[in-house]
Amino acid sequence: AQSVTQPDIHITVSEGASLELRCNYSYGATPYLFWYVQSPGQGLQLLLKYFSGDTLVQGIKGFEAEFKRSQSSFNLRKPSVHWSDAAEYFCAVAPIKAAGNKLTFGGGTRVLVKP
Amino acid sequence: GAGVSQSPRYKVAKRGQDVALRCDPISGHVSLFWYQQALGQGPEFLTYFQNEAQLDKSGLPSDRFFAERPEGSVSTLKIQRTQQEDSAVYLCASSLKWENDYGYTFGSGTRLTVV
Repeated sequence: AQSVTQPDIHITVSEGASLELRCNYSYGATPYLFWYVQSPGQGLQLLLKYFSGDTLVQGIKGFEAEFKRSQSSFNLRKPSVHWSDAAEYFCAVAPIKAAGNKLTFGGGTRVLVKP
Repeated sequence: GAGVSQSPRYKVAKRGQDVALRCDPISGHVSLFWYQQALGQGPEFLTYFQNEAQLDKSGLPSDRFFAERPEGSVSTLKIQRTQQEDSAVYLCASSLKWENDYGYTFGSGTRLTVV
């Protein structure tokens, strides 16, 4: 069965510093990969997704992620964090060309931003 | 409306009560999903509809959980004889197409607390 691991439950970063969130997946084949952000009381917002092609993916809000097949990883990065980036971040996978399109999520990483 | 609307936003139920959670997807969206998000965890898939057809209910945790979408638009998730372990945020998502584009829009969720 597929699984997604986000090793860091909490990360605290200073405003203006860089951020990297880790994501590792276990899957039979390379799946589709996603990063979502969830602010308190809000639904999930898609930051970026990887289907194929260039392994460095650009997303919204200045985020990017790099797919590394050899490490089964899809880490999220941002060069300079803003206070508004404080939220919970979820990595997710989904099967390629399968009916139902259901996502399997990691446990999430909560990001706190210090002024 | 412009987004996925869920109601109520908050629901407190006494153990053993039945509850009904509503999801209004974006007009015209074919696919509809329900996810359960326990405190401190990532969302977990419950069930999937394509129009009015429930194509996957493999994630429903027990036969106390029932979902319907009779006219292919609004969906209701019903939980009978609620238990404390049912306490979670229930997220609904909809997508314009049924095929693999993963262009979901999530609602803000219903937070269910069973006391």
